[in-house]
Amino acid sequence: DVKVTQSSRYLVKRTGEKVFLECVQDMDHENMFWYRQDPGLGLRLIYFSYDVKMKEKGDIPEGYSVSREKKERFSLILESASTNQTSMYLCASSGWESSYEQYFGPGTRLTVT
Amino acid sequence: KQEVTQIPAALSVPEGENLVLNCSFTDSAIYNLQWFRQDPGKGLTSLLLIQSSQREQTSGRLNASLDKSSGRSTLYIAASQPGDSATYLCAASFSGGYNKLIFGAGTRLAVHP
Repeated sequence: DVKVTQSSRYLVKRTGEKVFLECVQDMDHENMFWYRQDPGLGLRLIYFSYDVKMKEKGDIPEGYSVSREKKERFSLILESASTNQTSMYLCASSGWESSYEQYFGPGTRLTVT
Repeated sequence: KQEVTQIPAALSVPEGENLVLNCSFTDSAIYNLQWFRQDPGKGLTSLLLIQSSQREQTSGRLNASLDKSSGRSTLYIAASQPGDSATYLCAASFSGGYNKLIFGAGTRLAVHP
């Protein structure tokens, strides 16, 4: 079974803090993705990575950065957290062996106060 | 612009009913179509993946079809149960898109005893 894990289920941070969200997959997938999900706005792609050290902006990259130093790990960084970044953050991975089916982690509910 | 639309937004049915969820997409150059289930506050669980060369996929009581020419996919749930209550999301990836998924807004299903 594909496993995608995220470092925290719930996180509370203060405005201006630097926040790290970690995602790890165990299927040697080349692609990894970060989404945020908000009521009424659905799932929106923040960043994705198709290889180690490679990254591409998604639809809403402003205020975020990412890091992929190892194939199994993809980190989302909020450089200076703001209240409008309060959201559910979802990580996913996919690979050619599984026909690029995307597998999601359990999500991190981030609250910025 | 590539878009994915789901109808209806919400559905309430009695237990035992067979039901159909609809998904439409605007670009016929589809690569994959994926159906997910999401329970409140949780991540997404992949239900079925249909590749562009396939017409349908089945898993247990679920059957998903893909019609590229009309830009439509349906998810058929047989003999619905209260445990099927969740939000169902349809997502499509398109050729040349790095396997990025574009999501519909979802159908919120309630199956009552």
